Amino acid sequence: DIQMTQSPSSLSASVGDRVTITCQASQDISKFLNWYQQKPGKAPKLLIYDASNLETGVPSRFSGSGSGTDFTFTISSLQPEDIATYFCQQYDYLPVFGQGTKLAIK
Amino acid sequence: EVQLVESGGGLVQPGRSLRLSCAASGFSFDDYAMHWVRQTPGKGLEWVSGISWNSDTIDYADSVKGRFTISRDNAKNSLHLQMNSLRNEDTALYYCAKDRGGVATFNGFDIWGQGTMVTVSS
Repeated sequence: DIQMTQSPSSLSASVGDRVTITCQASQDISKFLNWYQQKPGKAPKLLIYDASNLETGVPSRFSGSGSGTDFTFTISSLQPEDIATYFCQQYDYLPVFGQGTKLAIK
Repeated sequence: EVQLVESGGGLVQPGRSLRLSCAASGFSFDDYAMHWVRQTPGKGLEWVSGISWNSDTIDYADSVKGRFTISRDNAKNSLHLQMNSLRNEDTALYYCAKDRGGVATFNGFDIWGQGTMVTVSS
């Protein structure tokens, strides 16, 4: 089974900061990776698909990159409404999620 | 409006069964694979099962294989999850999710329901 290692598990940043989250796959998954945002009490929301494609309606401050085993999710300028937990998810075989990164405002 | 509405959750004793349902609206249900994803505070998000648009491809997480059965009724725009031999560790919020579509059979989840809570406890 493919394992996804996401880091950090939590982070605190200031409004306007650049924020980066990483996800590492246990084997090559090409670009079969998505990123989700989940706010408290809500269902996850798809932000990035195929590693780097922005879902329709998602602000351009969100971006993704990577291929193979190493992937990065970036918020270019953190906004207060970005406080949430972020998950990566691979779909090279059966879907598997990363453990999540809880993002807080400093 | 694109919408998924789950139902059927509740409190059930270990070893018993429960059937979850998901009503879909606002999109061409029979064009997309569908999934069940669950979430617990301790274990995060876990994909449970997926079914292709025509039910030809069905897969399960190892943790539920042999106990859960996914099915769909394209005529009624509905998705179901029959859960048998329930265990304490199946306690979670269960989401119905629409597949995004793409090159793979299962690609990820672009529409989610609000979830239905399943609690397995004696």
